[in-house]
Amino acid sequence: EIVLTQSPATLSLSPGERATLSCRASQSVGTYLAWYQQRPGQAPRLLIYDASNRATGIPTRFSGSGSGTDFTLTISSLEPEDFAVYYCQQRTTWPPGATFGQGTRLDIK
Amino acid sequence: QVQLVESGGGVVRPGRSLRLSCAGSGFIFSDYAIHWVRQAPGKGLEWVAVISYEGSTKYYADSVKGRFTISRDNSKNTLYLQLNSLRPEDTAVYYCARDILRSGWYSNFDSWGQGTLVTVSS
Repeated sequence: EIVLTQSPATLSLSPGERATLSCRASQSVGTYLAWYQQRPGQAPRLLIYDASNRATGIPTRFSGSGSGTDFTLTISSLEPEDFAVYYCQQRTTWPPGATFGQGTRLDIK
Repeated sequence: QVQLVESGGGVVRPGRSLRLSCAGSGFIFSDYAIHWVRQAPGKGLEWVAVISYEGSTKYYADSVKGRFTISRDNSKNTLYLQLNSLRPEDTAVYYCARDILRSGWYSNFDSWGQGTLVTVSS
């Protein structure tokens, strides 16, 4: 089973700053890596799929990069609504399924 | 717009059963695989199960295999999750989530319901 490890666990930044979140896989997942945002009391929202593709309606300040075992989610300039928990997720093609990282909490400094 | 609405959660004793429902609207329900994903209180996300768009193929996480059953009724635009032999560690918010790929599966989730809370406690 592939394990996803996210770092840091908590990131404290101010609006307008750049955020860099990391996700490392225990073995290669190619580019089968997605990122989700979860605000308090809400369901997760898909931000990025296949490592670097923005989902429909996602602002351009969100970008993803990486392949193999190391991936990064970058938020270029933080807006107040971006302070939330972020999860990475890898998908398996057969049998279908998914594994999530433990999450990174992005707090207002 | 795409909408998924879960129902059926509640408090149940260990060993008992519960059935969750997820009603879809705003899209062609029968064109998409649908997943269940759960989140224990204050914890991360765990994928639970998936059913193909036509309902013939189903897969489960090892943690629920043999106890949970996913099904769907495309004539009612509704997904189900039958939870049997419930354990305290099954306590979680259960989300249904639409697969991003039409007429297949990709195991990325582009639309989510608001979730329904299942609490397993004596």
